[in-house]
Amino acid sequence: AIQLTQSPSSLSASVGDRVTITCRASQGISSALAWYQQKPGKAPKLLIYDASSLESGVPSRFSGSGSGTDFTLTISSLQPEDFATYYCQQFNSYPWTFGQGTKVEIK
Amino acid sequence: EVQLVESGGGLVQPGGSLRLSCAASGFTVSSNYMSWVRQAPGKGLEWVSVIYSGGSTYYADSVKGRFTISRDNSKNTLYLQMNSLRAEDTAVYYCARVVVIGWYFDLWGRGTLVTVSS
Repeated sequence: AIQLTQSPSSLSASVGDRVTITCRASQGISSALAWYQQKPGKAPKLLIYDASSLESGVPSRFSGSGSGTDFTLTISSLQPEDFATYYCQQFNSYPWTFGQGTKVEIK
Repeated sequence: EVQLVESGGGLVQPGGSLRLSCAASGFTVSSNYMSWVRQAPGKGLEWVSVIYSGGSTYYADSVKGRFTISRDNSKNTLYLQMNSLRAEDTAVYYCARVVVIGWYFDLWGRGTLVTVSS
């Protein structure tokens, strides 16, 4: 199975900060990667698909990049509603796998 | 309104069975790839199973041979039959729609909690 390793596992940041989360795959997955945001008690919400495509309705401060084994989710200017846990997921091969999550907390 | 609503969760003893349902509205389940994803309390997301529009199915190794994904086209509903349940199957179970152009889950239900305990 392809393992996805996110870093960091958690981070503290302030409103307005630029935040970068990394997702590394144990083998190449082309661009078959999605990013989700999850708030406590809620279902995940799609942010980015195909590694760098922004889902309709998602603010443009979110962006994704990468291909192969290294991927990045960037929030250009952190807003109060962005404090949540973020997950990457690969669809390149079965079993589909998620990263362990990155919790973004308020500094 | 396009939505997914899960039901069927609850408390079950180890070794028991449970069937989860996911009722869809606003779109046709059988025309889409549909999946189950679970999340143990305080833990991350784990993909469980997928069913293709053509009927092919795939499972995570952790549930293979114990869980079965299916659908009822007349009821526009997705199911997950869970047998031989273990404590480690305790989780919130989400159903999700898969978009195959780009590959991602674009629509999620609110989830249903399954607790396996004696």
